[in-house]
Amino acid sequence: GQQLNQSPQSMFIQEGEDVSMNCTSSSIFNTWLWYKQDPGEGPVLLIALYKAGELTSNGRLTAQFGITRKDSFLNISASIPSDVGIYFCAGHSNSGYALNFGKGTSLLVTP
Amino acid sequence: GAGVSQTPSNKVTEKGKYVELRCDPISGHTALYWYRQSLGQGPEFLIYFQGTGAADDSGLPNDRFFAVRPEGSVSTLKIQRTERGDSAVYLCASSLKAGGDGYTFGSGTRLTVV
Repeated sequence: GQQLNQSPQSMFIQEGEDVSMNCTSSSIFNTWLWYKQDPGEGPVLLIALYKAGELTSNGRLTAQFGITRKDSFLNISASIPSDVGIYFCAGHSNSGYALNFGKGTSLLVTP
Repeated sequence: GAGVSQTPSNKVTEKGKYVELRCDPISGHTALYWYRQSLGQGPEFLIYFQGTGAADDSGLPNDRFFAVRPEGSVSTLKIQRTERGDSAVYLCASSLKAGGDGYTFGSGTRLTVV
């Protein structure tokens, strides 16, 4: 599948800080999705983006679908300890129903 | 059930053995997907079912891997002649209809080949 580059690989922050992570693709995607995965669990969908330029919020989370359709970012405001986990971007191209995932950003939040 | 159920949650097998991993999707979900997640990586697509048929099996790594969904509900991923490189978490997901946003993932089966 298409290569997705997700950064940073890991983040170690204090409770209350804002977090930003992003994802770039080598090709155009029609859908950008952000997932969170806790240990021993499957990924859980946080935000779905369907249109270039779209900015969507879900509580303290905000994500944007890049204008070029080759990138997306996720921001988390006022982080709390339960934000700890691995965040994955995923993209959906025209060529089928498979999702291409990034390698993940591991987030650690200290109280 | 309320979510996607995968069994077993853990499986340890010897190299060369055959294994079956089961996925019970959310009732009424017609689309079912299998992904494989290696340590430190994101999930990688294996196969997608729409109803009983495999609509896209382009992610299966080789012919040792096979999946079925005979009645359009439960699916079984079958791996023959397992190799150590097959060790990973195998994730199943289902959705009401085909498409990427309505996925619900199960907790996965952690397969270890020794």
